[in-house]
Amino acid sequence: SAVISQKPSRDICQRGTSLTIQCQVDSQVTMMFWYRQQPGQSLTLIATANQGSEATYESGFVIDKFPISRPNLTFSTLTVSNMSPEDSSIYLCSVEQGAETQYFGPGTRLLVL
Amino acid sequence: AQSVAQPEDQVNVAEGNPLTVKCTYSVSGNPYLFWYVQYPNRGLQFLLKYITGDNLVKGSYGFEAEFNKSQTSFHLKKPSALVSDSALYFCSMIKAAGNKLTFGGGTRVLVKP
Repeated sequence: SAVISQKPSRDICQRGTSLTIQCQVDSQVTMMFWYRQQPGQSLTLIATANQGSEATYESGFVIDKFPISRPNLTFSTLTVSNMSPEDSSIYLCSVEQGAETQYFGPGTRLLVL
Repeated sequence: AQSVAQPEDQVNVAEGNPLTVKCTYSVSGNPYLFWYVQYPNRGLQFLLKYITGDNLVKGSYGFEAEFNKSQTSFHLKKPSALVSDSALYFCSMIKAAGNKLTFGGGTRVLVKP
C-alpha cells in the first residue's frame, strides 16, 4: 500500500488565521481525499481531489473555507481558512489504491484557540 | 440513502477472549465493506475488505470479518484479543465503484490484561 505523510502533524492556531496542510504520497495516485474527524466523532469527507480538475466538495463544505490544490499525482494541500474553534479537528488525507480501497495518512491535529 | 451503523460505542473484553465488533449497513445493491482501526494519535489503518466472493474475509493482525447479506451485517472478529488491540474501530462502506466511503460512528475497544 502507499506510504502517505502529512505536514504538519499538529498545530495550534489563533482564530482568524489560515493553515495549509500538506499530503505527500510515495506513488502516483489518481484520487485523493480529505476528511475531517471532529473530537470523539467519525470521519466526514470534505472533498475529493483529482489531479487536473477542480476538487469536488461534499455538502456543508465550500471552496472558500477549504481550498484544495492538487498540482500533481503525488501531492495535495488542504487549507483551513479563517479558522474558528469549531475547526479544531483531525484532518486526514487518503488515497485510493486497488479495488476501491482507501489508505490514510497519519492525520493533522489542529487546535484553534 | 446508504448508512453504516456500529451499535456499540465501546466493547470491553479480557485479553485472550474472543473479540467481536458489530457493524450493520443499509444500502440498495451490493456494497463494498471495509474495516479500519485507529490507534491513539495515529491515522486510520486498513484491516480488511469485502468486495465479492467468500463471505469470510481475513485481514491484518489476526482479524477476520463475515459478510452476511441476509442480516446486512459485517461483524469484525478476532479469536483471542490482545491488549494491543485496544483502539478505535471503524466500519465503512462504498455503495458501488466510484462512490464515496461512508463511515460508521466507530467502536472503542478496550482489552484488559
